[in-house]
Amino acid sequence: EAQVTQNPRYLITVTGKKLTVTCSQNMNHEYMSWYRQDPGLGLRQIYYSMNVEVTDKGDVPEGYKVSRKEKRNFPLILESPSPNQTSLYFCASNEHRGGTEAFFGQGTRLTVV
Amino acid sequence: AQSVSQHNHHVILSEAASLELGCNYSYGGTVNLFWYVQYPGQHLQLLLKYFSGDPLVKGIKGFEAEFIKSKFSFNLRKPSVQWSDTAEYFCAARDDKIIFGKGTRLHILP
Repeated sequence: EAQVTQNPRYLITVTGKKLTVTCSQNMNHEYMSWYRQDPGLGLRQIYYSMNVEVTDKGDVPEGYKVSRKEKRNFPLILESPSPNQTSLYFCASNEHRGGTEAFFGQGTRLTVV
Repeated sequence: AQSVSQHNHHVILSEAASLELGCNYSYGGTVNLFWYVQYPGQHLQLLLKYFSGDPLVKGIKGFEAEFIKSKFSFNLRKPSVQWSDTAEYFCAARDDKIIFGKGTRLHILP
């Protein structure tokens, strides 16, 4: 079954404690991206990757890092989380940069206290 | 700048009412358009998409959307809504990267 898998689904952490949210897709997609969803703001892209070892900033990259060492995995790293990063995060993948629709993971609800 | 605007932030309808959610985009060239739905507590799922051809696109669960190039619009419609359509709906557009509208919360009264 084609899917995008994020872990964990829920996470509560303290300010400054580094964390990683994993994302994996089994569709051999080149393009992967991370979004955060906040009430009234819709989805905003944090980072995206067009292929292995190719990553670029989205609209709201501050405070986040990503890596793309393998095609299937695209982890999101918060080196020093802050309360304003409390949000709902979605990973998505596409076949290629322009064209097909995005497939989304189940989401990770992060709370930073 | 590329952008997607959704006209209504919150819509409340009774069951069996007709639905139209507005979406306008601002893109310079060829654009692909999408509507996604997010049921409470779930991730985004694709409702329908337009790439080219017939501007009237039919999606899942009885939804359809019409691409009107002259108006830069891609409105979502459903003739008769059900309680189970309660969700948040996102319009999206992409050429280089995908951009989402801010979403419309639809609440259907039983």
